[in-house]
Amino acid sequence: NAGVTQTPKFRILKIGQSMTLQCTQDMNHNYMYWYRQDPGMGLKLIYYSVGAGITDKGEVPNGYNVSRSTTEDFPLRLELAAPSQTSVYFCASQQGKETQYFGPGTRLLVL
Amino acid sequence: DQQVKQNSPSLSVQEGRISILNCDYTNSMFDYFLWYKKYPAEGPTFLISISSIKDKNEDGRFTVFLNKSAKHLSLHIVPSQPGDSAVYFCAARDGEGADGLTFGKGTHLIIQP
Repeated sequence: NAGVTQTPKFRILKIGQSMTLQCTQDMNHNYMYWYRQDPGMGLKLIYYSVGAGITDKGEVPNGYNVSRSTTEDFPLRLELAAPSQTSVYFCASQQGKETQYFGPGTRLLVL
Repeated sequence: DQQVKQNSPSLSVQEGRISILNCDYTNSMFDYFLWYKKYPAEGPTFLISISSIKDKNEDGRFTVFLNKSAKHLSLHIVPSQPGDSAVYFCAARDGEGADGLTFGKGTHLIIQP
């Protein structure tokens, strides 16, 4: 099992550009999550999904969108990038009450 | 308002000694607590967890203690090894945790040779 994979690893965006952060898991987990981590801070939940076709907002959803068309994939979309979205983004998956597993992260710089 | 607090941004411990990382929480609905370890440029990796019905859970060199009345938990690492140098995050959830984990800000543990 590859676990949770994320692409790209690093990206520089200009203000106003858009991009999609990809996340895939091969553990057949129902629950998937997107977090962001700013320097010196803990991880904050952006969006989550409890199954294909179901998504919900987390603590910091503004400026982001998600979709969950399959169990495996949970892409995160930034429509109009802003400097405040410079962060490291982590995708995670979980099955029921089990442990939450994280991907390696995507480092995003918005200039 | 931070619901999970790690008040020590960093901690330096000599190799072979005990490392004690602390975490406080305010939400009494939390019933499951986890510790994650994170190396630079990697994602968090699960270390150990504890349910609110227990007060201790042990896994090799790692032990987590939970004091529900004080809303406090701690992670003990004995003996500390150089590879333990990392950022440690305390996280909590209520119920099944379908709506995600709540994280503290992390403690950077540095193991001195």
